[in-house]
Amino acid sequence: AQSVTQLDSQVPVFEEAPVELRCNYSSSVSVYLFWYVQYPNQGLQLLLKYLSGSTLVKGINGFEAEFNKSQTSFHLRKPSVHISDTAEYFCAVSDMYGGAQKLVFGQGTRLTINP
Amino acid sequence: DGGITQSPKYLFRKEGQNVTLSCEQNLNHDAMYWYRQDPGQGLRLIYYSQIVNDFQKGDIAEGYSVSREKKESFPLTVTSAQKNPTAFYLCASSQLAGVETQYFGPGTRLLVL
Repeated sequence: AQSVTQLDSQVPVFEEAPVELRCNYSSSVSVYLFWYVQYPNQGLQLLLKYLSGSTLVKGINGFEAEFNKSQTSFHLRKPSVHISDTAEYFCAVSDMYGGAQKLVFGQGTRLTINP
Repeated sequence: DGGITQSPKYLFRKEGQNVTLSCEQNLNHDAMYWYRQDPGQGLRLIYYSQIVNDFQKGDIAEGYSVSREKKESFPLTVTSAQKNPTAFYLCASSQLAGVETQYFGPGTRLLVL
């Protein structure tokens, strides 16, 4: 079974600074990776996903992530953050489970943007 | 507007009581899922369904039950057997073919009185 580790539970940064949220997954032959964002008391919204092809994936709100097979990582980056990026971010990997696709989530990283 | 609705937004449960959380989608998705979210633990899968009248247990199904009588509806019942029900519950849906994005509802927060 797949597993996901988000290396930082909290990341504080100043507004307009760059940020990287780290995600490592357990190795597998085929891997499909997702980043979701959750604003307070809301559901999850897809930021971006990697299924195949280019290892640099661009998503919404200026975020991007790079798939690194040798390091089994899928880190999320943004060159300049805004106050509105304050949220919790979840990395997830797709795993087959009884013939169906299941998402396995990391523990989440709380991103706090300070003015 | 297509999407997933969950109700109620907040739900209070008394000791020994069963409560039901509603999840409805109008995305015409075949697959639906229920997740439980606790602080610092990410999301854990409770139950999922790939087709009407069929569903499977996820990682933490004990103390929960579901039904899938209609394609657009997947209600979750938290039974009295669930001793620690306080959590944020999220419903999701997706197409079935291949690796598909799961779309999430706004969630229901369950609290014990």
